[in-house]
Amino acid sequence: DGGITQSPKYLFRKEGQNVTLSCEQNLNHDAMYWYRQDPGQGLRLIYYSQIVNDFQKGDIAEGYSVSREKKESFPLTVTSAQKNPTAFYLCASSSWDNEQFFGPGTRLTVL
Amino acid sequence: AQSVTQPDIHITVSEGASLELRCNYSYGATPYLFWYVQSPGQGLQLLLKYFSGDTLVQGIKGFEAEFKRSQSSFNLRKPSVHWSDAAEYFCAVGAGAVTGGGNKLTFGTGTQLKVEL
Repeated sequence: DGGITQSPKYLFRKEGQNVTLSCEQNLNHDAMYWYRQDPGQGLRLIYYSQIVNDFQKGDIAEGYSVSREKKESFPLTVTSAQKNPTAFYLCASSSWDNEQFFGPGTRLTVL
Repeated sequence: AQSVTQPDIHITVSEGASLELRCNYSYGATPYLFWYVQSPGQGLQLLLKYFSGDTLVQGIKGFEAEFKRSQSSFNLRKPSVHWSDAAEYFCAVGAGAVTGGGNKLTFGTGTQLKVEL
């Protein structure tokens, strides 16, 4: 079945650590996205990539980094510079018509 | 810049009652419009989308939405709500297809639907 997978489902981070969230898709989509979701704030775009080896900052990119070395993969690194990383992170992908398909999400908690 | 407003943070309806969730958007041209649903701790699932043509769009799970350009609205409706419809609903607007595949969507802050039995 085609879809988007995110791992891990739950992630715990100690302050000062970098952590990487995985996102893989087998939908053959060119574009991929990372969102952060906090209660009452909807989805906020962190980074997006419209093609391999290229990506752009979204609305809240500070403290995050990404790479897009393969069409199928778009990992997100939450760095120690992100002051409030506890949140639910969603990855999505889309083709030409903007319809975005979402993964199941990763819940990150800072201890 | 495009934006989306969902004025209702929480809505409670009785099972079997009708439902309307409001969505207003701001965009200079003809937008692409979407409604997504999210169950707790899950990703988002597309309910329906509007690109062009008939302004009344049918989606999954018995939902429909109507695009009204004059009111910049894309309200979601369901004639009879089921207890399983309790979830959070997000409206989103996009700028249309661009070369290279995909484009950014702007999401509203969501409406939490509670269904009373």
